[in-house]
Amino acid sequence: NAGVTQTPKFQVLKTGQSMTLQCAQDMNHEYMSWYRQDPGMGLRLIHYSVGAGITDQGEVPNGYNVSRSTTEDFPLRLLSAAPSQTSVYFCASSSSGGTRPEKLFFGSGTQLSVL
Amino acid sequence: AQSVSQHNHHVILSEAASLELGCNYSYGGTVNLFWYVQYPGQHLQLLLKYFSGDPLVKGIKGFEAEFIKSKFSFNLRKPSVQWSDTAEYFCAVNGGSNYKLTFGKGTLLTVNP
Repeated sequence: NAGVTQTPKFQVLKTGQSMTLQCAQDMNHEYMSWYRQDPGMGLRLIHYSVGAGITDQGEVPNGYNVSRSTTEDFPLRLLSAAPSQTSVYFCASSSSGGTRPEKLFFGSGTQLSVL
Repeated sequence: AQSVSQHNHHVILSEAASLELGCNYSYGGTVNLFWYVQYPGQHLQLLLKYFSGDPLVKGIKGFEAEFIKSKFSFNLRKPSVQWSDTAEYFCAVNGGSNYKLTFGKGTLLTVNP
C-alpha cells in the first residue's frame, strides 16, 4: 500500500518555466489537497478537491492550477514559475466523512527551487 | 475566515519535563481541531483530533489536548517528554461545513537528553 505518492522529490526551475507536480493516492480517498510549507509560515493550503471533477481554491491559489480527472490523481501545475514559489510542496488525501477532511495522509513532499 | 495561532515558535525541554503547546483558533461556528506532528525526515502525521463530545482527547504516544470553547483554545499536553518527541507540531482547524484545513505556523520542540 503506497499511500500518497509525490513526484518529483526535487526540482529546479528557471523563472517563467512551467511544470506539473504529480500526486497519486491508492486509498480511494475523495478528498485531496495541496499545501506549501515555508519556514516560519507553517503549511498553507493552495487548492483542494472533494472528488473527481470538483476543485476549489485554498488560501494561496495564485500562480497554481489543479484538475481532478480521476479519484487517484491530483496534479498541481505551476503556470509561470516565480522565485516566490520556491517552497516544499505537500500533497495530502483524506477519506472525508461528510463535509470535513478527517485525517490527512501526507506525501513525502517536493522541494522546488525557482531561480 | 478561519485561522490558527500557535504561541511558541521553538520550545526546548529536558527529558521528563512536562509539555504544553498553545493553540488558539478563530472561527465563528462549530470547529474540528487537530494536532499534526512532523518528526525529522518523516511525513506529517495526525497526532490527535477533536470533533465533538469529551473536550479532552487522547492521541498517540501519550499526547492529549483539551478543547476549551470559551477560550477558543486547543492546547497540546504531555506529562513527560522523551528525546524522541523532538519534532515540529502543527495545530489545525476545520470550520463548520467547509472543506479547508488551516494550519498554524508550527512549534518546533527540541527535547534534550
